Amino acid sequence: DAKTTQPPSMDCAEGRAANLPCNHSTISGNEYVYWYRQIHSQGPQYIIHGLKNNETNEMASLIITEDRKSSTLILPHATLRDTAVYYCIALLYNDYKLSFGAGTTVTVRA
Amino acid sequence: SAVISQKPSRDICQRGTSLTIQCQVDSQVTMMFWYRQQPGQSLTLIATANQGSEATYESGFVIDKFPISRPNLTFSTLTVSNMSPEDSSIYLCSVEGGRTNEKLFFGSGTQLSVL
Repeated sequence: DAKTTQPPSMDCAEGRAANLPCNHSTISGNEYVYWYRQIHSQGPQYIIHGLKNNETNEMASLIITEDRKSSTLILPHATLRDTAVYYCIALLYNDYKLSFGAGTTVTVRA
Repeated sequence: SAVISQKPSRDICQRGTSLTIQCQVDSQVTMMFWYRQQPGQSLTLIATANQGSEATYESGFVIDKFPISRPNLTFSTLTVSNMSPEDSSIYLCSVEGGRTNEKLFFGSGTQLSVL
């Protein structure tokens, strides 16, 4: 699986959009970008995934650059409950072995 | 989405003893995975436990230390053997997402402290 690089931490104001970057410059053409988050003392939770096109669901939006070397997870209106560690993972579609890096610790402040 | 129950949710154990962690899923799944999360660290995959075959261990993890059982499609156990304080971690069970978009569902984990 391609290595991903994320900033170790970021702060965000409640109610504002949170933009979480992820670099995956060695991603292969058939690797998807998956995002998970882990709220303190809980198991990781799926957020969203994508291959080439931008994706949106009820939790977030995923913007993938045209060359697929980086992506951004957008939490449109961050709340205090979005405080968590966010993981960006590159993975083949038929692979289930998630490899978690250090992630980005996001702190949403009132 | 699958509902995963892990028992115990937390335990404090003495060095040299063993603890068996149970993972029960509310639906049949082929693939189950066991992860470890050491204090302040990210998750590390211990092994893959598919029903009907021996567990497959990742580099750095061995069956003698972390024996796994997978008797049916809804249940698995992970034993942490001959524990030392370095085994103090959160141990998480996860299962395939099946037809959903979620690759893996995770349980809430077992918080283990070894004295």
